[in-house]
Amino acid sequence: SQQGEEDPQALSIQEGENATMNCSYKTSINNLQWYRQNSGRGLVHLILIRSNEREKHSGRLRVTLDTSKKSSSLLITASRAADTASYFCASGSGNTPLVFGKGTRLSVIA
Amino acid sequence: NAGVTQTPKFQVLKTGQSMTLQCAQDMNHNSMYWYRQDPGMGLRLIYYSASEGTTDKGEVPNGYNVSRLNKREFSLRLESAAPSQTSVYFCASNREHNSPLHFGNGTRLTVT
Repeated sequence: SQQGEEDPQALSIQEGENATMNCSYKTSINNLQWYRQNSGRGLVHLILIRSNEREKHSGRLRVTLDTSKKSSSLLITASRAADTASYFCASGSGNTPLVFGKGTRLSVIA
Repeated sequence: NAGVTQTPKFQVLKTGQSMTLQCAQDMNHNSMYWYRQDPGMGLRLIYYSASEGTTDKGEVPNGYNVSRLNKREFSLRLESAAPSQTSVYFCASNREHNSPLHFGNGTRLTVT
């Protein structure tokens, strides 16, 4: 399988805490993307980081990329109950479709 | 602006029956995809169409066929459904490979 891996598989935190999710991928990439999936819904694109970038911010989201380790992390600061969802990374390389990881289930407890 | 629309939302089939899942996008995207999502397996690519008139196999194509009817529409067909095809199916589209994907809300298929 070409799938990447997210770590941890599940994460439970209190509202207001920060949530960190990690992603590893297997091949050289053009970009790394993060998606969110609410229960019973399709995935929604959150943020894209290019292979020549090391860090990117969007609101309460911070993404880092380490191409030497083939890994990325997604940090959600000051988590809210509404952040409860599954989060997936997807790696893009060459002229091939994105490859998704298996996801991290985040539960934010109010 | 509806984005990506999938029909039906739910379907129950008996083993051996056939059906077609429909997908349409109104964003003028070139590429379209079909994924299946199973517990603990993440999203796995079944087939994709990089542009109108082309289709290619993904990671798990066996038991499925696709048709890129035009730039807007990409259908997935199960010719003889099997219980192993019980899953949630997602259609997605993007402007080109590696650009952000837009997903439909899925079709929940149960094969008994």
